[in-house]
Amino acid sequence: GESVGLHLPTLSVQEGDNSIINCAYSNSASDYFIWYKQESGKGPQFIIDIRSNMDKRQGQRVTVLLNKTVKHLSLQIAATQPGDSAVYFCAETLEYGNKLVFGAGTILRVKS
Amino acid sequence: GAGVSQSPSNKVTEKGKDVELRCDPISGHTALYWYRQSLGQGLEFLIYFQGNSAPDKSGLPSDRFSAERTGGSVSTLTIQRTQQEDSAVYLCASSFSRGSETQYFGPGTRLLVL
Repeated sequence: GESVGLHLPTLSVQEGDNSIINCAYSNSASDYFIWYKQESGKGPQFIIDIRSNMDKRQGQRVTVLLNKTVKHLSLQIAATQPGDSAVYFCAETLEYGNKLVFGAGTILRVKS
Repeated sequence: GAGVSQSPSNKVTEKGKDVELRCDPISGHTALYWYRQSLGQGLEFLIYFQGNSAPDKSGLPSDRFSAERTGGSVSTLTIQRTQQEDSAVYLCASSFSRGSETQYFGPGTRLLVL
């Protein structure tokens, strides 16, 4: 989802459950999408990416789904762990673009 | 190898003073980016350097902001006559060549303007 200012959407999940974080991206011409994880006091950390010629990509415990028809991106985290607690950002860019456009972010809280 | 490094990690300054923030990209990365992150916000693009090409300065919020990249490596972001609204985390990232490749971020410089 989208939000403004300090009111980031928050997803609370129980440890071991699966998490799904959603993102609506803005530019239908975007070709490359990335999910970043940002822990408190740190810079964003790359999680997984996907290009527009794919609709699904899997990594270790994470899956990214891309729906270009509705400009929607999602990040699925399997068996969520306390260490997954962070703010998650989606980002988009053009294939030969020179900057990332970031979404507002979603806070993921994992309850033990 | 070493990731992107930034210095200082924290900077407190008084309104009206100039500040310089430094970024050391990953060795071999030709593209370098500066972003700004205000409290609770997403990241806002500031400027992009690619090799010897003219930088893309389209994200700089005012003429008080400038950046340079010397020798295709280290970059310095300068904010002149700082204002309280400049308080934010300034993040640097680098990628192998262009923006559509993975950008790796540094830890950021937390700037507080009193």
